[in-house]
Amino acid sequence: EPEVTQTPSHQVTQMGQEVILRCVPISNHLYFYWYRQILGQKVEFLVSFYNNEISEKSEIFDDQFSVERPDGSNFTLKIRSTKLEDSAMYFCASTMLGGDTEAFFGQGTRLTVV
Amino acid sequence: GEDVEQSLFLSVREGDSSVINCTYTDSSSTYLYWYKQEPGAGLQLLTYIFSNMDMKQDQRLTVLLNKKDKHLSLRIADTQTGDSAIYFCAESRTGTASKLTFGTGTRLQVTL
Repeated sequence: EPEVTQTPSHQVTQMGQEVILRCVPISNHLYFYWYRQILGQKVEFLVSFYNNEISEKSEIFDDQFSVERPDGSNFTLKIRSTKLEDSAMYFCASTMLGGDTEAFFGQGTRLTVV
Repeated sequence: GEDVEQSLFLSVREGDSSVINCTYTDSSSTYLYWYKQEPGAGLQLLTYIFSNMDMKQDQRLTVLLNKKDKHLSLRIADTQTGDSAIYFCAESRTGTASKLTFGTGTRLQVTL
């Protein structure tokens, strides 16, 4: 069964460092998303991406965040200068079409900023 | 803004029914979802219901929607130890998965 894969599963970084979280969406999917879950809090929408552009972003997705599809398979989330409060589980998701009712999620990357 | 609330923890005995509850605030919600997360795994869609439906049944799963009270529930019949996981309620105003608003998740513990 096709699945969304994320790497690494856990990343520890020092405050102020840049991190790149990687995702490989399902191969024939066209729409990509990042969500995050701070420990003990809700899963929150960050950004959606289609046709090499951001479709929608939340208030959380400020200038320190960026997304990219550097090649035909990877979808990345970059955090430029990490803060302690960026520590969270980050989930990547994809849908074939923008109107799909089901999003397929990866297993998540746990980011710990120290 | 939209808000989705769930209780954090539920413990049931194997073989009993589990009922996980969720309330939401957005009266414009068009789709309501239940996702399951097992340890070390991603969010897996279990089922969803369109806002003009009251009930949806899928094998051991029954979803009930009370749109007036903005209350959603997931009933798992004959709960098994493999059902132990975190269950997330989510809603979408757009009717698509493009932007979901999630609850905090309910951890279901199934005991022998």
